[in-house]
Amino acid sequence: GEDVEQSLFLSVREGDSSVINCTYTDSSSTYLYWYKQEPGAGLQLLTYIFSNMDMKQDQRLTVLLNKKDKHLSLRIADTQTGDSAIYFCAESSYASGGSYIPTFGRGTSLIVHP
Amino acid sequence: NAGVTQTPKFRVLKTGQSMTLLCAQDMNHEYMYWYRQDPGMGLRLIHYSVGEGTTAKGEVPDGYNVSRLKKQNFLLGLESAAPSQTSVYFCAARVGSGEQYFGPGTRLTVT
Repeated sequence: GEDVEQSLFLSVREGDSSVINCTYTDSSSTYLYWYKQEPGAGLQLLTYIFSNMDMKQDQRLTVLLNKKDKHLSLRIADTQTGDSAIYFCAESSYASGGSYIPTFGRGTSLIVHP
Repeated sequence: NAGVTQTPKFRVLKTGQSMTLLCAQDMNHEYMYWYRQDPGMGLRLIHYSVGEGTTAKGEVPDGYNVSRLKKQNFLLGLESAAPSQTSVYFCAARVGSGEQYFGPGTRLTVT
């Protein structure tokens, strides 16, 4: 089946930039997503990128997509302690029967030190 | 507009007991999903539905059944709970290829 890989942990100092990386295997992926999960809560969409884009910027967040290498990254500028959470990479491709079935990575725990 | 809600929030079952988890959405989304989240495993898809009256198996469907009798509700059933089903269960709703909206989760412990 399709696979999404990401490192499990990242530790940064407050004010630094964080870069979370993700690789995926499905070359037919149409959308790629970054979700954030805070403790005890469900996942919330942070941002997404369509597969024909290379970059998307949204305030402190920058998403880079290298479609050739199937590599996605999320950069958080000026990381704050409130950014501490688990970040999930996900890809969505069109499955038979007319549905989009997303595949999630295992999540990267971002720890921000004061 | 509550988005996606899940009932109950917590539950403890004994092995062999049955229960139903309810997911409700007020966004009129066609697609609904049930996931389980285990430490270090990320999210794994149990079952999903592409519309009222339809269901399909995901990655880890064994031991679970689902029903989508009404568009706004997606039920996940455990007929005979096992300790391996101890997990946090998340429901999500989605329109087409767009964003998934997740519920707050149900924490289930099977003893």
